Amino acid sequence: IAGITQAPTSQILAAGRRMTLRCTQDMRHNAMYWYRQDLGLGLRLIHYSNTAGTTGKGEVPDGYSVSRANTDDFPLTLASAVPSQTSVYFCASSDELAGMQFFGPGTRLTVL
Amino acid sequence: AQSVAQPEDQVNVAEGNPLTVKCTYSVSGNPYLFWYVQYPNRGLQFLLKYITGDNLVKGSYGFEAEFNKSQTSFHLKKPSALVSDSALYFCAVRPPGGGYNKLIFGAGTRLAVHP
Repeated sequence: IAGITQAPTSQILAAGRRMTLRCTQDMRHNAMYWYRQDLGLGLRLIHYSNTAGTTGKGEVPDGYSVSRANTDDFPLTLASAVPSQTSVYFCASSDELAGMQFFGPGTRLTVL
Repeated sequence: AQSVAQPEDQVNVAEGNPLTVKCTYSVSGNPYLFWYVQYPNRGLQFLLKYITGDNLVKGSYGFEAEFNKSQTSFHLKKPSALVSDSALYFCAVRPPGGGYNKLIFGAGTRLAVHP
């Protein structure tokens, strides 16, 4: 059982390009999340999904979009990347009963 | 505004000594409280949580945390630090009625344990 996988592990991207970060979980969790981690700021929520077919905006949603076509996958898309989106991106999922979130290994994105 | 504060950017402790990593929160009601650890180039790993009950919560790797409602604190502790405990530690809060497991994270505290 892999838990949560993210791809790619790292990426260097030219500004203005479109990029999709992939996230897949095999725990059948209803809820999934995307965070970005920046030095001194901790983790900030970008978007979330309570269940397949629904999504919601987090603390820093601008410039990002998500979709949740099924339970397992929750891709994050940067339509036109900007240097301020250089960050480490973490996908997470949670079980309502357990109360805690499980995190993927992260994607390190550099936008030049 | 709801927030989580980790007042120390870094905590240094000698191996074998007790350690404390501080966390305070500003959330109304009775939140769920969590500690996560992040090793270099890895995702966050769950350490422990407080939902209700005994104020002293025991978690993984010998860590424990003490919930203090009057001080709105949830400090992480370990009686005897190991060099392998060196990592980045995050405190997180799930506000009551705050949505489906949405967490508010502190900025993180880097723990350095010296031999």
